[in-house]
Amino acid sequence: DTAVSQTPKYLVTQMGNDKSIKCEQNLGHDTMYWYKQDSKKFLKIMFSYNNKELIINETVPNRFSPKSPDKAHLNLHINSLELGDSAVYFCASSQVGAADTQYFGPGTRLTVL
Amino acid sequence: AQSVTQLGSHVSVSEGALVLLRCNYSSSVPPYLFWYVQYPNQGLQLLLKYTTGATLVKGINGFEAEFKKSETSFHLTKPSAHMSDAAEYFCAVSPGGYNKLIFGAGTRLAVHP
Repeated sequence: DTAVSQTPKYLVTQMGNDKSIKCEQNLGHDTMYWYKQDSKKFLKIMFSYNNKELIINETVPNRFSPKSPDKAHLNLHINSLELGDSAVYFCASSQVGAADTQYFGPGTRLTVL
Repeated sequence: AQSVTQLGSHVSVSEGALVLLRCNYSSSVPPYLFWYVQYPNQGLQLLLKYTTGATLVKGINGFEAEFKKSETSFHLTKPSAHMSDAAEYFCAVSPGGYNKLIFGAGTRLAVHP
């Protein structure tokens, strides 16, 4: 069974469109995250949710809106896509402590044309 | 502010040679330190982590790392490289009390016959 899954794996879209990426974890973790990996492989935290509550928002544009319907799911909706949004987006989950291992999904490669 | 510096964006070794990937961190609080590996087109997988206790940490696939507080370092080593070790390696710090990982820029390890 896949621990952290994301759909879709690839997403190609035009500038200005709205798209969503879904994430699900079956590890029973309380905390979920979204990370962005740019073309130079640099990884940066975007959001962190604990038990469906937003706890970290790393100055991400308002066009990005995470939604957590329950603690096993954290979806990422992006409005008015821009060229600079092209990246690989990783979902992750962990127990609640800062020392706890984060388990990553396989990533979603978003390409904005 | 916490940060991670990985010295050497590319490291190339011969199969059977020692692998040494360098990581220095900056943290105002006792850090939790992690090494993750990313194989092409995949998510990140934990190699090992340091939280408290023994400063020499052993991980998967024969890797180990030593936490040296005086040098603010957490270098990753493996005595004998294998072709399958070729991947991108990320060092990360989790500032105590915050549920997020701050990543270094990554080091691409190439292993040649």
